[in-house]
Amino acid sequence: QAVVTQEPSLTVAPGGTVTLTCGSSTGAVTSGHYPYWFQQKPGQAPTTLIYETTNKHSWTPARFSGSLLGGKAALTLSGAQPEDEADYYCFLSFHEGVVFGGGTKVTVL
Amino acid sequence: EVQLVQSGGGLVRPGGSLRLSCAASGFSVSDYFMHWVRQVPGKGLIWVSRIGVDPMKINYADSVKGRFTISRDNADNTLHLQMNNLRVEDTGVYYCARSLGFFWGQGTVVTVSS
Repeated sequence: QAVVTQEPSLTVAPGGTVTLTCGSSTGAVTSGHYPYWFQQKPGQAPTTLIYETTNKHSWTPARFSGSLLGGKAALTLSGAQPEDEADYYCFLSFHEGVVFGGGTKVTVL
Repeated sequence: EVQLVQSGGGLVRPGGSLRLSCAASGFSVSDYFMHWVRQVPGKGLIWVSRIGVDPMKINYADSVKGRFTISRDNADNTLHLQMNNLRVEDTGVYYCARSLGFFWGQGTVVTVSS
């Protein structure tokens, strides 16, 4: 199965902007991989922020956006808030199944 | 409103079996891809299995192939995961989820231990 890669950790200043990426060992990520982004805070179940590359749920804060960037899926957080400190996971869909990335721990500091 | 309510899980010895269920409301499980995901506390998310709109379209992670079976009951609008020959490394919180938005169930704990 493919390997999906994410940055292990990133730090962003309050009010700052950070971009998380999600790459595939099989090559460029496209919309056909239906990229998803999830946020998970300690002790809580994951919540879905972005689905199928760019789509937001009603509960997704406007400061989060999804895109394709340089052959990867990307999650951009613009105007980071303290409550955005969390683990972020992506996944990509392949013919043989779905693969999650290892997650990115985002620190707001 | 999309809701997924999970049941099943618990403590089982290695080699044992468990069946997880995920009762859906607000949509029909037969109209969407449905997934199972596992997470060991403090670790990452691991995709386990999915079933498509076409019930013949089923995929499993390599680690569970031949041991786990995903299915759905359209009449009860419920997703199931039959887990056989369980291993210690199958321990974790299991979530069901619906595609197109990836709506999550509340999770259920599976502990495989002697």
